[in-house]
Amino acid sequence: GAGVSQSPSNKVTEKGKDVELRCDPISGHTALYWYRQSLGQGLEFLIYFQGNSAPDKSGLPSDRFSAERTGGSVSTLTIQRTQQEDSAVYLCASSFLLAGALGEQFFGPGTRLTVL
Amino acid sequence: QKEVEQDPGPLSVPEGAIVSLNCTYSNSAFQYFMWYRQYSRKGPELLMYTYSSGNKEDGRFTAQVDKSSKYISLFIRDSQPSDSATYLCAMNPGGFKTIFGAGTRLFVKA
Repeated sequence: GAGVSQSPSNKVTEKGKDVELRCDPISGHTALYWYRQSLGQGLEFLIYFQGNSAPDKSGLPSDRFSAERTGGSVSTLTIQRTQQEDSAVYLCASSFLLAGALGEQFFGPGTRLTVL
Repeated sequence: QKEVEQDPGPLSVPEGAIVSLNCTYSNSAFQYFMWYRQYSRKGPELLMYTYSSGNKEDGRFTAQVDKSSKYISLFIRDSQPSDSATYLCAMNPGGFKTIFGAGTRLFVKA
């Protein structure tokens, strides 16, 4: 079946521009996660959605970052006024929510963002 | 100090070698321990998953968790060139937030 898809796969933008990154999770997965992966760094947790709600936004690096999820499916991560330090691979993952256990996260291929 | 420490490598071994990958952590609340494999320009994929302490074996892969030492390991037996990838350890206390290590780059030479 179809996995998690992300678009665009690559995005080059100029400093100060806004960008939107899209994630299509696996159908039926109630949980959705956004991570950022910089060179030599592990995955940095950004935000988590349970359905359309984001119980914890504390991982978002600044108020330039926002995310939404609609219809319990597609999610968009928006970065306003991009800075060079925003350059990274942005990964999306989805999972079932399991009571008393940890649902396996399935990752998309990521969006490679380069801010010039 | 990071919650999860992992040597980024790179680690280069000959084909057929036994590979040992390790992570240490500081948060005693972690209950779920995972290893992900990430090929170049791909998303991570779950390789091994362990709850609490102990060992788990799956084919050529063995995961070990020592909660008393706050230390986890992944062993790969009879390593193959196709095992060349970045291996990330990951830990979770039971909520929605999983903490990942920096990843160790592994090269298996034919």
